[in-house]
Amino acid sequence: AQTVTQSQPEMSVQEAETVTLSCTYDTSESDYYLFWYKQPPSRQMILVIRQEAYKQQNATENRFSVNFQKAAKSFSLKISDSQLGDAAMYFCAYRSWVSGTYKYIFGTGTRLKVLA
Amino acid sequence: KAGVTQTPRYLIKTRGQQVTLSCSPISGHRSVSWYQQTPGQGLQFLFEYFSETQRNKGNFPGRFSGRQFSNSRSEMNVSTLELGDSALYLCASSPEPGTTYEQYFGPGTRLTVT
Repeated sequence: AQTVTQSQPEMSVQEAETVTLSCTYDTSESDYYLFWYKQPPSRQMILVIRQEAYKQQNATENRFSVNFQKAAKSFSLKISDSQLGDAAMYFCAYRSWVSGTYKYIFGTGTRLKVLA
Repeated sequence: KAGVTQTPRYLIKTRGQQVTLSCSPISGHRSVSWYQQTPGQGLQFLFEYFSETQRNKGNFPGRFSGRQFSNSRSEMNVSTLELGDSALYLCASSPEPGTTYEQYFGPGTRLTVT
């Protein structure tokens, strides 16, 4: 069965510094998508970045980038020039389509604190 | 476009009761998914509806059920509530089911079972 593991329940970063959130997953499938979602306190969850497994190039969205290591089944999120508004819960998610069924699996989340 | 809306936002029920939660997707979105979020378990997938049909289901007991209407609005029902059902229930919509589509989440319904 597929699993998603976020081993860091909580992380802290100084404003303007860089932080990396870890995510590992386990799957035997070759075609899937990986996502990072951000859930600010008492606010709605939003998509931060998406990576297609068949693409070797790491996805980048402004200050957010991923380090996708398919063989190692690792999908970390790097936040550069951290801002106070980056403080949130971050969820790593896996989605695939197998035998007519979609699978949606989320990690348990990493709470990111940004220190002024 | 208006975002995903969920009603009610907060709910307190007692054990043994049943509850119905509602989700209105973004206009034009036909796929609606439901998730249960708890501090220890993170987000767990409940089910997904598309064209009024349940397309996917997670590993939850039969007390959890849902449906989707012709206007794509969806409801989730939990019968015989247990203390462990206390959670934030999130609804997410996308244009179609599929791995390529981003899901847009609603603010959630906070259910407390006493």
